[in-house]
Amino acid sequence: DTAVSQTPKYLVTQMGNDKSIKCEQNLGHDTMYWYKQDSKKFLKIMFSYNNKELIINETVPNRFSPKSPDKAHLNLHINSLELGDSAVYFCAIGSGANVLTFGAGSRLTVL
Amino acid sequence: SQELEQSPQSLIVQEGKNLTINCTSSKTLYGLYWYKQKYGEGLIFLMMLQKGGEEKSHEKITAKLDEKKQQSSLHITASQPSHAGIYLCGADTGTASKLTFGTGTRLQVTL
Repeated sequence: DTAVSQTPKYLVTQMGNDKSIKCEQNLGHDTMYWYKQDSKKFLKIMFSYNNKELIINETVPNRFSPKSPDKAHLNLHINSLELGDSAVYFCAIGSGANVLTFGAGSRLTVL
Repeated sequence: SQELEQSPQSLIVQEGKNLTINCTSSKTLYGLYWYKQKYGEGLIFLMMLQKGGEEKSHEKITAKLDEKKQQSSLHITASQPSHAGIYLCGADTGTASKLTFGTGTRLQVTL
């Protein structure tokens, strides 16, 4: 079983559409994150959830809305997609010591 | 400017050669983490350094933390093709549950 699984792995969509990326973990850790990696491979934190509560929101546009229905899931919904949203989005799980376990990433391409 | 700067940005070394990657923080470090990303995959945790002067090794990779200089270095001895990838340092700069990543160093190992 994969500890952190993201779906879909690839997503190609048109500008203006709404899409979601899902993340599921089976490690039982309380802290979950969404990171965005741009074309230059720079990795930036977007959101952090602890036990279903939002802890960090790094000035991400409100078109991005994370949802944590339970401790094992943290989904990312994006409204009105823009070209600049094209990136690889990583879900990560924290063990409490900043040692993160990452998912394989979801590559989003907005045309 | 970024909180965490890595140098070099990219590196091509011949198999068997040694190399060093540096990570410099503009803020006080409370912990420094090294991760590796293989192309098209998520990040894998390598090592965590929390005390000034601390040095850790795993197989042929050694990392050191100079707390006063707010710097860390990652040294690979006798590089192999399996070492190829993107190395990212991550820093705990005092905000709970937040790991900030560096600009990344892309390593290629040639035969």
